[in-house]
Amino acid sequence: EPEVTQTPSHQVTQMGQEVILRCVPISNHLYFYWYRQILGQKVEFLVSFYNNEISEKSEIFDDQFSVERPDGSNFTLKIRSTKLEDSAMYFCASSDYNTGELFFGEGSRLTVL
Amino acid sequence: DQQVKQNSPSLSVQEGRISILNCDYTNSMFDYFLWYKKYPAEGPTFLISISSIKDKNEDGRFTVFLNKSAKHLSLHIVPSQPGDSAVYFCAASVGYGGSQGNLIFGKGTKLSVKP
Repeated sequence: EPEVTQTPSHQVTQMGQEVILRCVPISNHLYFYWYRQILGQKVEFLVSFYNNEISEKSEIFDDQFSVERPDGSNFTLKIRSTKLEDSAMYFCASSDYNTGELFFGEGSRLTVL
Repeated sequence: DQQVKQNSPSLSVQEGRISILNCDYTNSMFDYFLWYKKYPAEGPTFLISISSIKDKNEDGRFTVFLNKSAKHLSLHIVPSQPGDSAVYFCAASVGYGGSQGNLIFGKGTKLSVKP
């Protein structure tokens, strides 16, 4: 069964460092998303991406965050200068045009020290 | 601002019985609703969805009911099995498919099914 894969599964970084989280969406999907879940809190939307551009983003997705699809398969989330409060589980998701079901990856746990 | 609310953080049910998970929403623009199941250290897994033109959708042991006038939906699992023990998230969006906006999640309900 096709699945969304994410790397790394866990990354520990120092505050102020740049982090790139990678995702390989399901191959025939056209819509890509990043969500995050801070420990003990709800899953929150960060950004959606379609046709090589951001289609929607939340207040959380400030100038420190960026996304790109550099090679047509990977979908990356970059955090330019990490803060302690960026520590969370980051989930990538993808969906196709005809359905509203998002398929999530297993997540990348980011720990900022 | 909780647009999607799951007021029960946890629910315990005996194996074989019905599990009913509830979800309320405040945004009347929502027209597509989904339930996700999440095990520890895994991403949310899609379970079942319903659009606002329906009031019921069934898939095997899982049934979702939508009451638009009450802005309430529920997930019924019959019969419940120990493997159903997980956190269940209700989510909602405006639009569907290509026109879908982002998913708004509830805080989740942890279901424990006891053998």
